[in-house]
Amino acid sequence: GESVGLHLPTLSVQEGDNSIINCAYSNSASDYFIWYKQESGKGPQFIIDIRSNMDKRQGQRVTVLLNKTVKHLSLQIAATQPGDSAVYFCAENTAGNKLTFGGGTRVLVKP
Amino acid sequence: DVKVTQSSRYLVKRTGEKVFLECVQDMDHENMFWYRQDPGLGLRLIYFSYDVKMKEKGDIPEGYSVSREKKERFSLILESASTNQTSMYLCASSLSGILAKNIQYFGAGTRLSVL
Repeated sequence: GESVGLHLPTLSVQEGDNSIINCAYSNSASDYFIWYKQESGKGPQFIIDIRSNMDKRQGQRVTVLLNKTVKHLSLQIAATQPGDSAVYFCAENTAGNKLTFGGGTRVLVKP
Repeated sequence: DVKVTQSSRYLVKRTGEKVFLECVQDMDHENMFWYRQDPGLGLRLIYFSYDVKMKEKGDIPEGYSVSREKKERFSLILESASTNQTSMYLCASSLSGILAKNIQYFGAGTRLSVL
């Protein structure tokens, strides 16, 4: 099948457990951050976003945490399900309308 | 519902051919983007456009050109395809404006093989 990344860091998690995906960003001036999910054979899909004036935002089963001091972003997925198996990318709004994407983390959910 | 449509899911072309990748969005977005995605390299921006007939180079524009004659359509052109342009190509669009969040919505991708 298709693969979006052969050299991606991989997080292997048991179904039902919580997942934490980490991302370090580079630009301290970035004011907006997004997490995307990319399933095999599909384009990236928006999951959740956060502005730099916040440190936490919750969605349905997902939470994003932002630590500007150390330029770190994390995505927490509660009660991970098989459908959560995908590659997850963080993106930062660096200039104008452009986004800079991280390299991605592959999440594998074990039944 | 947001929709970005890329005309082909798979393409096989020969070295030296001129290749057109088409992308259409139905959200009236001002901004459109073309990326390529390669194993280990993530998403790299080729070109983007913030208005009709406007274009800006991204990080890796060499060997590519683009066309935006209508707001909803953004075309990526490989003037003379080479084997190192074998890749997954992703189109995206986003809304412009001070209050707009810069969420980019992606198409399903076109996997191009240049032989």
